[in-house]
Amino acid sequence: AQSVAQPEDQVNVAEGNPLTVKCTYSVSGNPYLFWYVQYPNRGLQFLLKYITGDNLVKGSYGFEAEFNKSQTSFHLKKPSALVSDSALYFCAVRDSRSSASKIIFGSGTRLSIRP
Amino acid sequence: DAGVTQSPTHLIKTRGQQVTLRCSPKSGHDTVSWYQQALGQGPQFIFQYYEEEERQRGNFPDRFSGHQFPNYSSELNVNALLLGDSALYLCASSLAGRGRTEAFFGQGTRLTVV
Repeated sequence: AQSVAQPEDQVNVAEGNPLTVKCTYSVSGNPYLFWYVQYPNRGLQFLLKYITGDNLVKGSYGFEAEFNKSQTSFHLKKPSALVSDSALYFCAVRDSRSSASKIIFGSGTRLSIRP
Repeated sequence: DAGVTQSPTHLIKTRGQQVTLRCSPKSGHDTVSWYQQALGQGPQFIFQYYEEEERQRGNFPDRFSGHQFPNYSSELNVNALLLGDSALYLCASSLAGRGRTEAFFGQGTRLTVV
């Protein structure tokens, strides 16, 4: 069975500082991994994905994520946080063995960037 | 290029009633998945439709049912509404056979059961 864990309910960072939002996953086959962002009363917006290849993937709005197979982690990072990055972030996983596999989401991490 | 559209955006229903939510997938997409997002939680997978059939189902009771039409649009039906069904319902579209692709989400339907 697939699962995703986001161990931090909230992350607080000062504007201009680097940020990290943690994610670990469990899947039987090779994982397809995703990060989504959600603003208040809105749907989910895609940020980035890892499918194969380079362990460091770059996405929208300056975000990047590092895939670590041995630690089964896919942490979201940004070198310099902006106040506008404040939102709810979800890590998600899909099993690559089936094209029909569902996407499973973590419980979310609320990112708060203070000016 | 229209993205995923959902209707209505907000809905208030009384306990015991039935509700139908609608979703039009992103142009070119043929697979629709539905998720329930309770306040403060991550989206929970309800079911997925492809070629007008339910292909996968999450841990939701039979009160939750769906349908996919030949144009790939989809409906989510919930019968005998409970207070606990109050949530944001999200529709996601994707391409079958392209598991590498991300799913695209609509803005959601906020259902309140009173």
